[in-house]
Amino acid sequence: QKEVEQNSGPLSVPEGAIASLNCTYSDRVSQSFFWYRQYSGKSPELIMSIYSNGDKEDGRFTAQLNKASQYVSLLIRDSQPSDSATYLCAVKDRDTGRRALTFGSGTRLQVQP
Amino acid sequence: DTEVTQTPKHLVMGMTNKKSLKCEQHMGHRAMYWYKQKAKKPPELMFVYSYEKLSINESVPSRFSPECPNSSLLNLHLHALQPEDSALYLCASSQDSGGTDTQYFGPGTRLTVL
Repeated sequence: QKEVEQNSGPLSVPEGAIASLNCTYSDRVSQSFFWYRQYSGKSPELIMSIYSNGDKEDGRFTAQLNKASQYVSLLIRDSQPSDSATYLCAVKDRDTGRRALTFGSGTRLQVQP
Repeated sequence: DTEVTQTPKHLVMGMTNKKSLKCEQHMGHRAMYWYKQKAKKPPELMFVYSYEKLSINESVPSRFSPECPNSSLLNLHLHALQPEDSALYLCASSQDSGGTDTQYFGPGTRLTVL
């Protein structure tokens, strides 16, 4: 069974620091990787997607993918209190007939003012 | 525009009621999804429609009945629910473009079953 593992946290960082969120996955055929942010009581919001090994940057967010190690991470630079949320890692496999995402359990991030 | 809308935002129903959740997208997406999310848990897939046809049913009880009237609309009909069905119900849509396909979520319907 495919698994996506995340540390549940909470991960607490001071305002202005770099927050590092990590995710490992078990299925080597996984092809696409997504980070969603979810505020309490709200729906998941797409932050980043990454498909190739290496880094992908978007503003204060950088996603890093290492398929050999089956590891994907999200770095948040200059963390703000408004970044406090649960971050969900999601993985989609190569089988196009299987459209579903497999989610990790999420990491709760707390940014301290 | 990556907007998926859902109605109602909140729903309270008794175990004998029949109600429906509605989802709409105008992004030209061809795949639509229903997820269920309990507190402090990740979303769990319930159903997937692709090109208006049901492609995945994750062994969901028959008291949940999905319907896709057209490519922009997705309904979830509810009947004889149990209190443990209380959750956030999320609709999502995607282009259904294969490996790089990206799902966008609606705001959800908070369902409470009494």
